[in-house]
Amino acid sequence: ILNVEQSPQSLHVQEGDSTNFTCSFPSSNFYALHWYRWETAKSPEALFVMTLNGDEKKKGRISATLNTKEGYSYLYIKGSQPEDSATYLCAFCASGGSYIPTFGRGTSLIVHP
Amino acid sequence: NAGVTQTPKFRVLKTGQSMTLLCAQDMNHEYMYWYRQDPGMGLRLIHYSVGEGTTAKGEVPDGYNVSRLKKQNFLLGLESAAPSQTSVYFCASSYRRGLRGYTFGSGTRLTVV
Repeated sequence: ILNVEQSPQSLHVQEGDSTNFTCSFPSSNFYALHWYRWETAKSPEALFVMTLNGDEKKKGRISATLNTKEGYSYLYIKGSQPEDSATYLCAFCASGGSYIPTFGRGTSLIVHP
Repeated sequence: NAGVTQTPKFRVLKTGQSMTLLCAQDMNHEYMYWYRQDPGMGLRLIHYSVGEGTTAKGEVPDGYNVSRLKKQNFLLGLESAAPSQTSVYFCASSYRRGLRGYTFGSGTRLTVV
Protein backbone atom coordinates (compact mmCIF):
# COMPACT_ATOMS: atom_id res chain seq x y z
CA ILE A 1 0.00 0.00 0.00
CA LEU A 2 1.51 3.31 -1.10
CA ASN A 3 1.70 6.20 1.33
CA VAL A 4 -0.06 9.31 0.01
CA GLU A 5 -0.37 12.08 2.57
CA GLN A 6 -2.31 15.31 2.30
CA SER A 7 -1.95 18.31 4.54
CA PRO A 8 -3.56 20.05 6.17
CA GLN A 9 -6.52 17.78 6.90
CA SER A 10 -8.85 20.80 6.94
CA LEU A 11 -8.61 24.47 6.30
CA HIS A 12 -10.89 27.42 6.97
CA VAL A 13 -10.25 30.63 5.06
CA GLN A 14 -12.06 33.88 4.41
CA GLU A 15 -13.45 34.79 1.02
CA GLY A 16 -10.72 36.41 -1.03
CA ASP A 17 -7.85 34.64 0.73
CA SER A 18 -5.41 32.64 -1.34
CA THR A 19 -4.55 29.22 -0.03
CA ASN A 20 -2.53 26.15 -0.80
CA PHE A 21 -2.23 22.57 0.35
CA THR A 22 0.16 19.72 -0.12
CA CYS A 23 0.12 16.17 -1.41
CA SER A 24 3.15 14.01 -0.54
CA PHE A 25 3.85 10.74 -2.30
CA PRO A 26 6.73 8.28 -2.82
CA SER A 27 9.57 9.83 -4.84
CA SER A 28 10.33 6.58 -6.68
CA ASN A 29 8.42 4.87 -9.50
CA PHE A 30 6.41 7.98 -10.32
CA TYR A 31 3.88 7.61 -13.13
CA ALA A 32 1.15 10.23 -12.61
CA LEU A 33 -0.47 12.44 -9.99
CA HIS A 34 -4.16 13.31 -10.01
CA TRP A 35 -6.04 16.11 -8.26
CA TYR A 36 -9.80 15.94 -7.70
CA ARG A 37 -12.35 18.32 -6.26
CA TRP A 38 -15.11 16.69 -4.22
CA GLU A 39 -18.11 18.75 -3.18
CA THR A 40 -20.39 17.51 -0.42
CA ALA A 41 -23.12 15.16 -1.66
CA LYS A 42 -21.52 14.96 -5.09
CA SER A 43 -18.89 12.75 -6.67
CA PRO A 44 -15.22 13.62 -7.15
CA GLU A 45 -14.37 15.56 -10.32
CA ALA A 46 -10.96 15.49 -11.92
CA LEU A 47 -9.05 18.78 -11.84
CA PHE A 48 -5.59 17.86 -13.11
CA VAL A 49 -3.50 14.89 -14.17
CA MET A 50 0.21 15.63 -13.92
CA THR A 51 2.93 13.43 -15.36
CA LEU A 52 6.19 15.37 -15.64
CA ASN A 53 8.50 16.77 -13.00
CA GLY A 54 8.07 20.53 -12.93
CA ASP A 55 4.58 20.35 -14.44
CA GLU A 56 2.32 23.28 -13.71
CA LYS A 57 -1.40 23.12 -14.47
CA LYS A 58 -4.00 25.85 -14.20
CA LYS A 59 -7.78 25.93 -14.32
CA GLY A 60 -9.29 29.32 -13.55
CA ARG A 61 -8.16 30.33 -10.07
CA ILE A 62 -6.83 26.86 -9.24
CA SER A 63 -3.33 25.77 -10.13
CA ALA A 64 -1.03 22.89 -9.24
CA THR A 65 2.68 22.18 -9.32
CA LEU A 66 4.57 18.92 -9.27
CA ASN A 67 7.96 17.87 -7.92
CA THR A 68 8.47 14.17 -8.57
CA LYS A 69 12.08 14.10 -7.34
CA GLU A 70 11.10 15.12 -3.82
CA GLY A 71 7.62 13.60 -3.93
CA TYR A 72 5.18 16.45 -3.52
CA SER A 73 2.55 18.47 -5.33
CA TYR A 74 0.96 21.76 -4.29
CA LEU A 75 -2.55 22.89 -5.11
CA TYR A 76 -3.14 26.65 -5.03
CA ILE A 77 -6.41 28.54 -4.98
CA LYS A 78 -6.18 32.25 -5.65
CA GLY A 79 -8.86 34.52 -4.19
CA SER A 80 -10.96 31.75 -2.61
CA GLN A 81 -14.72 31.93 -3.06
CA PRO A 82 -17.42 30.13 -1.03
CA GLU A 83 -18.09 27.89 -4.03
CA ASP A 84 -14.50 26.59 -3.71
CA SER A 85 -15.55 24.86 -0.48
CA ALA A 86 -14.92 21.17 -1.08
CA THR A 87 -12.56 18.35 -0.28
CA TYR A 88 -9.52 18.25 -2.54
CA LEU A 89 -8.10 14.80 -3.17
CA CYS A 90 -4.82 13.82 -4.68
CA ALA A 91 -4.05 10.36 -6.07
CA PHE A 92 -0.64 8.90 -6.89
CA CYS A 93 0.00 6.36 -9.63
CA ALA A 94 3.16 4.30 -9.45
CA SER A 95 4.80 2.65 -12.41
CA GLY A 96 5.72 -1.01 -12.52
CA GLY A 97 2.54 -2.35 -10.97
CA SER A 98 -1.15 -1.95 -11.59
CA TYR A 99 -0.84 1.82 -12.22
CA ILE A 100 -4.05 2.24 -10.24
CA PRO A 101 -4.07 5.55 -8.32
CA THR A 102 -3.80 5.48 -4.53
CA PHE A 103 -5.83 8.28 -2.98
CA GLY A 104 -4.87 10.52 -0.12
CA ARG A 105 -7.46 11.29 2.55
CA GLY A 106 -8.05 14.79 1.23
CA THR A 107 -7.93 18.36 2.43
CA SER A 108 -11.30 19.82 3.41
CA LEU A 109 -11.51 23.50 2.47
CA ILE A 110 -14.21 25.76 3.86
CA VAL A 111 -14.37 29.31 2.54
CA HIS A 112 -16.32 31.70 4.74
CA PRO A 113 -18.15 34.64 3.12
CA ASN B 1 -25.78 12.78 -20.22
CA ALA B 2 -22.61 10.77 -20.70
CA GLY B 3 -21.05 9.49 -17.54
CA VAL B 4 -21.10 6.83 -14.88
CA THR B 5 -24.41 5.71 -13.44
CA GLN B 6 -24.72 3.79 -10.20
CA THR B 7 -27.80 2.00 -8.94
CA PRO B 8 -29.23 1.96 -6.38
CA LYS B 9 -28.43 5.26 -4.67
CA PHE B 10 -29.46 4.08 -1.21
CA ARG B 11 -30.01 0.68 0.35
CA VAL B 12 -30.52 -0.77 3.79
CA LEU B 13 -29.65 -4.44 4.24
CA LYS B 14 -29.95 -6.83 7.13
CA THR B 15 -26.85 -8.73 8.19
CA GLY B 16 -26.47 -11.81 6.02
CA GLN B 17 -28.48 -10.51 3.08
CA SER B 18 -26.96 -10.24 -0.36
CA MET B 19 -27.14 -7.53 -2.97
CA THR B 20 -25.57 -6.32 -6.19
CA LEU B 21 -24.56 -2.78 -7.00
CA LEU B 22 -24.57 -1.88 -10.68
CA CYS B 23 -22.23 0.54 -12.37
CA ALA B 24 -22.76 1.51 -16.00
CA GLN B 25 -20.63 3.83 -18.15
CA ASP B 26 -21.28 5.04 -21.68
CA MET B 27 -17.86 6.53 -22.44
CA ASN B 28 -16.29 3.34 -23.83
CA HIS B 29 -13.77 3.33 -20.97
CA GLU B 30 -11.60 0.25 -20.63
CA TYR B 31 -10.95 0.56 -16.91
CA MET B 32 -13.54 0.46 -14.16
CA TYR B 33 -13.19 0.55 -10.39
CA TRP B 34 -15.15 0.13 -7.18
CA TYR B 35 -14.18 2.20 -4.12
CA ARG B 36 -15.60 2.53 -0.67
CA GLN B 37 -15.47 5.74 1.31
CA ASP B 38 -15.50 5.70 5.09
CA PRO B 39 -15.08 8.65 7.47
CA GLY B 40 -11.40 9.46 7.97
CA MET B 41 -10.30 6.74 5.56
CA GLY B 42 -10.55 8.37 2.17
CA LEU B 43 -11.29 6.29 -0.92
CA ARG B 44 -10.16 2.67 -0.74
CA LEU B 45 -10.09 0.44 -3.78
CA ILE B 46 -12.17 -2.74 -3.52
CA HIS B 47 -11.81 -4.31 -6.99
CA TYR B 48 -11.04 -3.09 -10.45
CA SER B 49 -11.21 -4.22 -14.06
CA VAL B 50 -8.93 -3.39 -16.97
CA GLY B 51 -11.27 -4.74 -19.61
CA GLU B 52 -14.29 -6.87 -20.37
CA GLY B 53 -14.03 -10.24 -18.68
CA THR B 54 -11.18 -9.21 -16.36
CA THR B 55 -11.20 -8.33 -12.67
CA ALA B 56 -8.55 -7.83 -10.00
CA LYS B 57 -8.44 -7.27 -6.25
CA GLY B 58 -7.76 -3.89 -4.74
CA GLU B 59 -6.84 -2.84 -1.23
CA VAL B 60 -9.98 -4.11 0.57
CA PRO B 61 -11.52 -6.95 -1.48
CA ASP B 62 -12.70 -9.26 1.32
CA GLY B 63 -16.46 -9.83 1.42
CA TYR B 64 -17.01 -8.54 -2.13
CA ASN B 65 -17.13 -10.08 -5.58
CA VAL B 66 -17.25 -8.38 -8.97
CA SER B 67 -18.01 -9.19 -12.56
CA ARG B 68 -17.41 -7.39 -15.86
CA LEU B 69 -19.36 -9.39 -18.43
CA LYS B 70 -19.91 -6.35 -20.64
CA LYS B 71 -17.48 -3.51 -21.20
CA GLN B 72 -19.96 -0.88 -20.05
CA ASN B 73 -21.02 -2.60 -16.82
CA PHE B 74 -19.18 -3.43 -13.61
CA LEU B 75 -21.12 -5.20 -10.88
CA LEU B 76 -20.20 -5.31 -7.19
CA GLY B 77 -21.73 -8.10 -5.13
CA LEU B 78 -22.04 -8.60 -1.42
CA GLU B 79 -22.86 -12.25 -0.76
CA SER B 80 -23.47 -11.99 2.99
CA ALA B 81 -23.58 -8.39 4.16
CA ALA B 82 -21.93 -7.41 7.44
CA PRO B 83 -22.24 -4.17 9.44
CA SER B 84 -18.58 -3.45 8.59
CA GLN B 85 -19.69 -3.04 4.98
CA THR B 86 -21.78 -0.01 5.86
CA SER B 87 -20.21 2.63 3.66
CA VAL B 88 -20.62 4.83 0.63
CA TYR B 89 -19.61 3.01 -2.54
CA PHE B 90 -18.29 4.81 -5.60
CA CYS B 91 -17.79 3.41 -9.05
CA ALA B 92 -15.35 5.07 -11.44
CA SER B 93 -14.06 4.55 -14.95
CA SER B 94 -11.15 5.78 -17.04
CA TYR B 95 -9.65 5.46 -20.54
CA ARG B 96 -6.10 4.61 -19.67
CA ARG B 97 -4.38 3.57 -16.54
CA GLY B 98 -3.34 6.65 -14.62
CA LEU B 99 -2.91 9.10 -17.51
CA ARG B 100 -6.47 10.39 -17.56
CA GLY B 101 -8.65 11.45 -14.68
CA TYR B 102 -11.35 9.18 -13.42
CA THR B 103 -15.06 9.77 -13.97
CA PHE B 104 -16.98 8.88 -10.82
CA GLY B 105 -20.56 7.82 -10.29
CA SER B 106 -22.74 9.59 -7.75
CA GLY B 107 -22.32 6.94 -5.08
CA THR B 108 -24.42 4.32 -3.29
CA ARG B 109 -25.02 4.73 0.42
CA LEU B 110 -25.33 1.27 1.95
CA THR B 111 -26.31 0.60 5.54
CA VAL B 112 -26.12 -2.90 6.98
CA VAL B 113 -28.07 -3.37 10.19
